[in-house]
Amino acid sequence: AQSVTQLDSHVSVSEGTPVLLRCNYSSSYSPSLFWYVQHPNKGLQLLLKYTSAATLVKGINGFEAEFKKSETSFHLTKPSAHMSDAAEYFCVVGAPTGRRALTFGSGTRLQVQP
Amino acid sequence: EPEVTQTPSHQVTQMGQEVILRCVPISNHLYFYWYRQILGQKVEFLVSFYNNEISEKSEIFDDQFSVERPDGSNFTLKIRSTKLEDSAMYFCASSADTGEAFFGQGTRLTVV
Repeated sequence: AQSVTQLDSHVSVSEGTPVLLRCNYSSSYSPSLFWYVQHPNKGLQLLLKYTSAATLVKGINGFEAEFKKSETSFHLTKPSAHMSDAAEYFCVVGAPTGRRALTFGSGTRLQVQP
Repeated sequence: EPEVTQTPSHQVTQMGQEVILRCVPISNHLYFYWYRQILGQKVEFLVSFYNNEISEKSEIFDDQFSVERPDGSNFTLKIRSTKLEDSAMYFCASSADTGEAFFGQGTRLTVV
């Protein structure tokens, strides 16, 4: 079985300050991990993915995430928040080979203050 | 840039009516999915479709749901007799062999 826990339902930062969105996963196999972003009234956009290559993954819009197997974590970071980063972020764990269902975390709403 | 498109963006239907949600996946993708997100809740997997058949489905995907790929481009989700609790945002997604899914904008279904 697989599951994912996003540790914060809501994070508020000031523009220009670092962003940290926390995610822990549980999986009985070597997982694929993803971060998706959902802006208001928009679809789900892939930010980045980890698929057992480099443990530090760079994504779009300056985001990156580090896979830490010992901590079963996949936290999302950005050095400097921008107002346009305000959105809902989902940590997602992929299924093992042969299955395709993604398991979503409950989401973290990022608020960026001017 | 190729994208998944869904129609309509918003559908209102009366309880007990049938609805069909439509999706055009990315053209060279082989795997197709439906997910839903009830307001304030997690995004939940419904079904995956590959090689013209369901490859996986969740316990949510009961007999009132069906999927079809009627031609080479469309992928549909049918709900036969809608219930109030079917009100949700429904996302279509597609993927190639690499695993990550690309999602459409969603269809907001409101059952009244």
